[in-house]
Amino acid sequence: DVKVTQSSRYLVKRTGEKVFLECVQDMDHENMFWYRQDPGLGLRLIYFSYDVKMKEKGDIPEGYSVSREKKERFSLILESASTNQTSMYLCASSFHLNTEAFFGQGTRLTVV
Amino acid sequence: AQSVTQLDSQVPVFEEAPVELRCNYSSSVSVYLFWYVQYPNQGLQLLLKYLSGSTLVKGINGFEAEFNKSQTSFHLRKPSVHISDTAEYFCAVSDLGGATNKLIFGTGTLLAVQP
Repeated sequence: DVKVTQSSRYLVKRTGEKVFLECVQDMDHENMFWYRQDPGLGLRLIYFSYDVKMKEKGDIPEGYSVSREKKERFSLILESASTNQTSMYLCASSFHLNTEAFFGQGTRLTVV
Repeated sequence: AQSVTQLDSQVPVFEEAPVELRCNYSSSVSVYLFWYVQYPNQGLQLLLKYLSGSTLVKGINGFEAEFNKSQTSFHLRKPSVHISDTAEYFCAVSDLGGATNKLIFGTGTLLAVQP
């Protein structure tokens, strides 16, 4: 069965902290994505990666960076967490960029 | 640029009643279309997809959707809903060979099934 695993379901961090969100997929997919989900705004793409060490900005990359050192792992980094980054973060992977994506369970991050 | 519109942010419905969740997209090129479901505090799960072929697509949990190219729509329907269908539903679209080579999601529709 297809599986995308996010390392944490819930996180509480302080303003200014550096935060790492980890995502692992076991489907040998080329493409991985990070979205944030906020009420009324749907899913917004932060960054995606189409190959190891390759990344592209999505619609809202400001305040975030990513790392993909291995094919199965895609990390989202909040360099200096702020309260407006409190959100649900969803990781996904796909075989092709424009076909169905498989999602992890999400990480609900609260920045205080 | 490609966009997806889900006009209804919330749809209340009584149990065992039929429901339609609307989705319209803006594209003049061939597209792939998807519906996802998200239960509370969960990730998104694929409900159904249209890639090609028959315009009526059947998915899991008794849902189906119809691709209408002339109306640029992909509405989701279920003839009789259950309490357990209460969730948020997202429509998504991608272009085939267009500038938008990734999934674009709508803002979601919350289906609230009441007893």
